[in-house]
Amino acid sequence: NAGVTQTPKFQVLKTGQSMTLQCAQDMNHNSMYWYRQDPGMGLRLIYYSASEGTTDKGEVPNGYNVSRLNKREFSLRLESAAPSQTSVYFCASSEAPRGARNSPLHFGNGTRLTVT
Amino acid sequence: DAKTTQPNSMESNEEEPVHLPCNHSTISGTDYIHWYRQLPSQGPEYVIHGLTSNVNNRMASLAIAEDRKSSTLILHRATLRDAAVYYCILRAEYGNKLVFGAGTILRVKS
Repeated sequence: NAGVTQTPKFQVLKTGQSMTLQCAQDMNHNSMYWYRQDPGMGLRLIYYSASEGTTDKGEVPNGYNVSRLNKREFSLRLESAAPSQTSVYFCASSEAPRGARNSPLHFGNGTRLTVT
Repeated sequence: DAKTTQPNSMESNEEEPVHLPCNHSTISGTDYIHWYRQLPSQGPEYVIHGLTSNVNNRMASLAIAEDRKSSTLILHRATLRDAAVYYCILRAEYGNKLVFGAGTILRVKS
């Protein structure tokens, strides 16, 4: 069982370039999330999707867009990358439908993005 | 979202129990307490969660204070593989997002 798969694992972009981070889960989970983690800091929520067809902003959504393509896939797009977006990006999923509070999150192993 | 407070770092000896504290004085009556850990260069990993009663699983135990304003994650016998950042998180009542704090860095000495 693959769990949560993120691609690519590493990426280097120049300022102003665009790219899409891909995330797919094979656990039939309803909810999916994108977090970023900067050195020495905890995770900050960028966007989440409580169910297929819905997306909501988290703590730090500026500069990002998301698409919940189907139940399995949740992508994160940087339209015009900036050095401040250099970070490690984690995708996660959970079984919970909207409003449930007791389903754990399952995380991927991250995409390490550097913007020069 | 209700906030949690954890020590920045803790140190333990291998094969000894570890008690990781978390304060959450503004917890609401319907918030669950979740614990995750993050090993170097990996994504966070679920450890345990609970609402009111103490909980045990194969990884750890969770002791929740009677007033729910604090909780303690207990690793019964620390190993070098338990060295990680441990996050205590309250799950918000509406929506289902989790907000991570800075966590506690656990160092295990052999």
